[in-house]
Amino acid sequence: DSGVTQTPKHLITATGQRVTLRCSPRSGDLSVYWYQQSLDQGLQFLIQYYNGEERAKGNILERFSAQQFPDLHSELNLSSLELGDSALYFCASSVGEREGLADTQYFGPGTRLTVL
Amino acid sequence: DQQVKQNSPSLSVQEGRISILNCDYTNSMFDYFLWYKKYPAEGPTFLISISSIKDKNEDGRFTVFLNKSAKHLSLHIVPSQPGDSAVYFCLTGNQFYFGTGTSLTVIP
Repeated sequence: DSGVTQTPKHLITATGQRVTLRCSPRSGDLSVYWYQQSLDQGLQFLIQYYNGEERAKGNILERFSAQQFPDLHSELNLSSLELGDSALYFCASSVGEREGLADTQYFGPGTRLTVL
Repeated sequence: DQQVKQNSPSLSVQEGRISILNCDYTNSMFDYFLWYKKYPAEGPTFLISISSIKDKNEDGRFTVFLNKSAKHLSLHIVPSQPGDSAVYFCLTGNQFYFGTGTSLTVIP
């Protein structure tokens, strides 16, 4: 158990809908990361937040957004869903004290999103 | 544009022998690397990391080697155990690129 929790575990929805995935980091971690794992693209970095502020952005679509709240939990919002958005979405957390400093990420169990 | 590649999609090794998993990267500015183990439908589990100020890091049965000039790192598992059977990924600590993964099977 990494200490990172994600809810829900599974989500089934229809094209065009909007969903919210939730992540609680390990106690003491200030940084949260979101990744997408799809069959054809592998594991891809989406976005990182540190203490409520966006720190790094990866291959995140404009239809997707995230935020980190004062209690440090994070939410990933996916809107106008398409069939291709079906994937496993992982959240990770790390201490993240200094930008650019080497840091170990600990991953949650993931949320499996199925878009029908 | 694959910044990090693991050229062996799969690897089979006898129990007790050494497993060697490889990872190649393109950007010489990457200076921190991590290895993760992943079971299906679970999140990646951190194994070991290495910073570019070192060329080797050991933790129990796991050793990671970094060759900066070749932009190559490898994970050695000795001795390999059946419980090591999983998919292994390397991750860059800068810009967070995951490798494509190598599925390791350790045969009892």
